[in-house]
Amino acid sequence: GEDVEQSLFLSVREGDSSVINCTYTDSSSTYLYWYKQEPGAGLQLLTYIFSNMDMKQDQRLTVLLNKKDKHLSLRIADTQTGDSAIYFCAESPPSGTYKYIFGTGTRLKVLA
Amino acid sequence: EAQVTQNPRYLITVTGKKLTVTCSQNMNHEYMSWYRQDPGLGLRQIYYSMNVEVTDKGDVPEGYKVSRKEKRNFPLILESPSPNQTSLYFCASSLKRQGETQYFGPGTRLLVL
Repeated sequence: GEDVEQSLFLSVREGDSSVINCTYTDSSSTYLYWYKQEPGAGLQLLTYIFSNMDMKQDQRLTVLLNKKDKHLSLRIADTQTGDSAIYFCAESPPSGTYKYIFGTGTRLKVLA
Repeated sequence: EAQVTQNPRYLITVTGKKLTVTCSQNMNHEYMSWYRQDPGLGLRQIYYSMNVEVTDKGDVPEGYKVSRKEKRNFPLILESPSPNQTSLYFCASSLKRQGETQYFGPGTRLLVL
């Protein structure tokens, strides 16, 4: 079946850039998403990218998409302690379904 | 305020005792979904619904039931809970099938003894 993979942990120093990686399997995914989960809360959408784009920038966030390698990354510039959270990537559902596949999540810890 | 609500937020129960976790959204969304979150496994979809009376299985539907009798509500039913259903559960909804955010509820933490 489909599988979306992420590394489980990432630790960075405040002010550095963070790069969170994701490998997905469904090459027909129309959209790819990044969600953020803060402690004790549900998920919130950070950004998403349409599959015909290579890059999307939104303030401190940069999403890169390599369709050939089915690789998605999220770069957070000038990482702050408030960015400490779990980050999930997700691929859009197959046509005619609402069947979302999320990654395992990457726990980002920002050190002051 | 636009939101997805879940009840209860915390629940401790025993094996075999039927329970229902309610989910309600006030945004008139057609699409709704249930997920469970487990350490190291991420978020896995249990069931989803694309409209009233239209439900389908996600990746891990075994041991769960859902219903969608009205647009705003999408309850999750555990007919005979087992310890392996101990988890954190999230309900979510969206207006479109894709290309926009899913709105997530605050989560229900379930412990089955």
